[in-house]
Amino acid sequence: KAGVTQTPRYLIKTRGQQVTLSCSPISGHRSVSWYQQTPGQGLQFLFEYFSETQRNKGNFPGRFSGRQFSNSRSEMNVSTLELGDSALYLCASSNIQGGNTEAFFGQGTRLTVV
Amino acid sequence: GQQLNQSPQSMFIQEGEDVSMNCTSSSIFNTWLWYKQDPGEGPVLLIALYKAGELTSNGRLTAQFGITRKDSFLNISASIPSDVGIYFCAGRRQGGSEKLVFGKGTKLTVNP
Repeated sequence: KAGVTQTPRYLIKTRGQQVTLSCSPISGHRSVSWYQQTPGQGLQFLFEYFSETQRNKGNFPGRFSGRQFSNSRSEMNVSTLELGDSALYLCASSNIQGGNTEAFFGQGTRLTVV
Repeated sequence: GQQLNQSPQSMFIQEGEDVSMNCTSSSIFNTWLWYKQDPGEGPVLLIALYKAGELTSNGRLTAQFGITRKDSFLNISASIPSDVGIYFCAGRRQGGSEKLVFGKGTKLTVNP
C-alpha cells in the first residue's frame, strides 16, 4: 500500500508570490490534515479535511487555505508569501473508523521564501 | 499555538543504554501518538495509545498512556545507532477531529 505522497518535495518562491502544495493520502483514507513545521514553533496544525469538508482550522492567517477533492487528495494554498512562511509543510492521512485512528505523515514539502 | 511539554530536549547516550522521554499537558487527551523524524523526512509513527493506563510495545520501544490522561512516556531499550533522530509526542484531544498537538521533540544522539 502506498504511503502519503506530497508534491513537490522542494519549492523556492519569492515574497508576494503564491504557492500550492499537494497531498495524496493513503488509499482509503478520507481524512487529511496539514501541519507547518519550523525550528522555532515546531509542528503547528493548519487545517483538517474530511470528505471534502474542512472540519477544523488552526490559528493561521487567511492567506493559508486548503481544499479536498472527491478522491480525498488535498491541496493547500498560501497566498502573498512572507519570509516567515518558510517551513516544512506536512500532510497527515487518517482512516477514521471506530474512533481509534492513527495519523501517517508524508515526507513533506520544504518551502523556502526568498 | 498549544503544545505539549516534552522532555528532555536532547539526550546524548552510549549505544546499548536505555532511554526515557515524556510528555505532559495541562489538558486531557484521548489519544497519544509517538513519532520519530529523521532530517528532511516526515514523522514516522512508532506507537499509538488510546486508553488511560495502556502500555504498548513495538520492538525495543515501550510507551504508556498516563492514568490521568495528561501525560505519556516513551522508553527505548538497548539503543542502537539507528535510533538517532528526533522523537515527538502528539496528543489528540477529542473525537470528531484529527487535530494533533505536538511536543517540541527530543533529539536523541547515540554514540557507538
